[in-house]
Amino acid sequence: GAGVSQSPSNKVTEKGKDVELRCDPISGHTALYWYRQSLGQGLEFLIYFQGNSAPDKSGLPSDRFSAERTGGSVSTLTIQRTQQEDSAVYLCASSFRLAKNIQYFGAGTRLSVL
Amino acid sequence: AQKITQTQPGMFVQEKEAVTLDCTYDTSDQSYGLFWYKQPSSGEMIFLIYQGSYDEQNATEGRYSLNFQKARKSANLVISASQLGDSAMYFCAMREGQQGGSEKLVFGKGMKLTVNP
Repeated sequence: GAGVSQSPSNKVTEKGKDVELRCDPISGHTALYWYRQSLGQGLEFLIYFQGNSAPDKSGLPSDRFSAERTGGSVSTLTIQRTQQEDSAVYLCASSFRLAKNIQYFGAGTRLSVL
Repeated sequence: AQKITQTQPGMFVQEKEAVTLDCTYDTSDQSYGLFWYKQPSSGEMIFLIYQGSYDEQNATEGRYSLNFQKARKSANLVISASQLGDSAMYFCAMREGQQGGSEKLVFGKGMKLTVNP
């Protein structure tokens, strides 16, 4: 497909378990972003990757959250010891980092922590 | 302080009519970008239109136009000739800062548009 692909589309887990969310960006896009969308907080920035530069992790809510981007392409967001407040939709976006830097989003992963 | 304000929680419009969705923003940067995204019930965020802070002309993309009033810090989205498929959540977003930074987006809380037949 030509768009940003995220998997799984839905994930139900038990409190305390670890989860991994995957993002496959648009081919050739150098920048990759993770956002979280929850009812109480709206859309929040989590982390940003650009090429070989150090990621901007300023939006990660706690040290239970981490992310990596392998080979400048696929990214994995990992949440350790999940809590109920982690329940949200996790959205991934990618962009070319040209002048407009338009971010194109995937359909998201809906995470439910029971 | 909220950087992006969307005060209309919901709006209803008749099919084929035009509708304006309000967005005000707050920034001290000279260089920034403003975006509108559409999120239908399927959940995907769909890019609609972009306006750069230095762009003198209002952006247009098909039925979408952005009414950019820089002095008022306003970036309203105008949808002409509404269609049933326009029913969705609409988010205004801003990208601040110098190039070389993360250029993350800051989003408003969104507003729900319902187009009636």
